[in-house]
Amino acid sequence: LAKTTQPISMDSYEGQEVNITCSHNNIATNDYITWYQQFPSQGPRFIIQGYKTKVTNEVASLFIPADRKSSTLSLPRVSLSDTAVYYCLVGDNFNKFYFGSGTKLNVKP
Amino acid sequence: EAGVTQFPSHSVIEKGQTVTLRCDPISGHDNLYWYRRVMGKEIKFLLHFVKESKQDESGMPNNRFLAERTGGTYSTLKVQPAELEDSGVYFCASSQAPSYEQYFGPGTRLTVT
Repeated sequence: LAKTTQPISMDSYEGQEVNITCSHNNIATNDYITWYQQFPSQGPRFIIQGYKTKVTNEVASLFIPADRKSSTLSLPRVSLSDTAVYYCLVGDNFNKFYFGSGTKLNVKP
Repeated sequence: EAGVTQFPSHSVIEKGQTVTLRCDPISGHDNLYWYRRVMGKEIKFLLHFVKESKQDESGMPNNRFLAERTGGTYSTLKVQPAELEDSGVYFCASSQAPSYEQYFGPGTRLTVT
């Protein structure tokens, strides 16, 4: 199982782009990278998933370099409502997610 | 469309008592999962149902925990007898193939005193 390492916390200001990087040096060939977001008193919520290169949806972008040993979640123009914990999950079993400690993002006005 | 719902939102019980948590997945979702976060720890997988069958229960901590999903709709997670270390937030999630996205409920906060 690939271990993931993320910053414990990050601060940002409204309107800025936020990039959260996750390290997963032992990622396996079949593993995908999935990011979840969690607000206080709520369950985690899916943001984006990718295998390689770049994935973009209406919420975020996910950048994965060729060696796949890391990935970066990019949130464009964050607002106060983006204050949450962001989890990077790596694995090939979509029926059994492993959550790490996550990154607590604090968006300031 | 209603999301995943869990009941109760909060339960406070004494050590040795029994508690039953309920999860109603999104309608039509065959896959149902239970996770939990105990104090200060990470969210951990407990088990996975496909319809009414337990597909993977490798995360269940011990035999004091019993999960059921009769009829393949809602699921219950019973803790009997509850211990102090069972305190935490219990999340339920559901998904439907071929989507890999798991939809989580708001969780049930269990406090054992």
